[in-house]
Amino acid sequence: GNSVTQMEGPVTLSEEAFLTINCTYTATGYPSLFWYVQYPGEGLQLLLKATKADDKGSNKGFEATYRKETTSFHLEKGSVQVSDSAVYFCALDRGSTLGRLYFGRGTQLTVWP
Amino acid sequence: NAGVMQNPRHLVRRRGQEARLRCSPMKGHSHVYWYRQLPEEGLKFMVYLQKENIIDESGMPKERFSAEFPKEGPSILRIQQVVRGDSAAYFCASSPPPQGGTKNIQYFGAGTRLSVL
Repeated sequence: GNSVTQMEGPVTLSEEAFLTINCTYTATGYPSLFWYVQYPGEGLQLLLKATKADDKGSNKGFEATYRKETTSFHLEKGSVQVSDSAVYFCALDRGSTLGRLYFGRGTQLTVWP
Repeated sequence: NAGVMQNPRHLVRRRGQEARLRCSPMKGHSHVYWYRQLPEEGLKFMVYLQKENIIDESGMPKERFSAEFPKEGPSILRIQQVVRGDSAAYFCASSPPPQGGTKNIQYFGAGTRLSVL
């Protein structure tokens, strides 16, 4: 089946620290992988995506590389800001152009000044 | 271009009442998804609809829950005879018809937070 496992939070960092949020997956076929971010009281926003093995998604200083050999899609940022405080969700689909997403449980990130 | 609009943002119901949640997709989007987020959990898929069709309802509870996406108007998620366990945030997402290299990008609304007393 399809599933996503994320590292459990909460994660608390000081501003300018390095961030890694681990995500591993189980999937049949060739899924696309996504990171979504949810700010307090809001819906989810797509942060970045990768559609095939070895692709690197990047946006706003965040990066994640689709690693088929380790079935991972870890989120990284070199220097976090207070404004990055949010919940981050790793997700995958079934590899088609449409259809449901499978989400991890989410990781709460808090960045202190 | 307005985003995905959900209303109400907050809904309070007593046990046994009905809850109706509405979702207007982004302009030009013909695919709608509903997800539920329970406290301290990730989003769980409920149902995927196109105009006038249910494509995948594998995540919907078998009883009390129904969804529709009529030819005109918003998509509706309906919960009959609500119970305390239905308290959650319900998110709607929409996606455009597939074109070229687009790959299942879903745009989410701000959600409806349902509280059952």
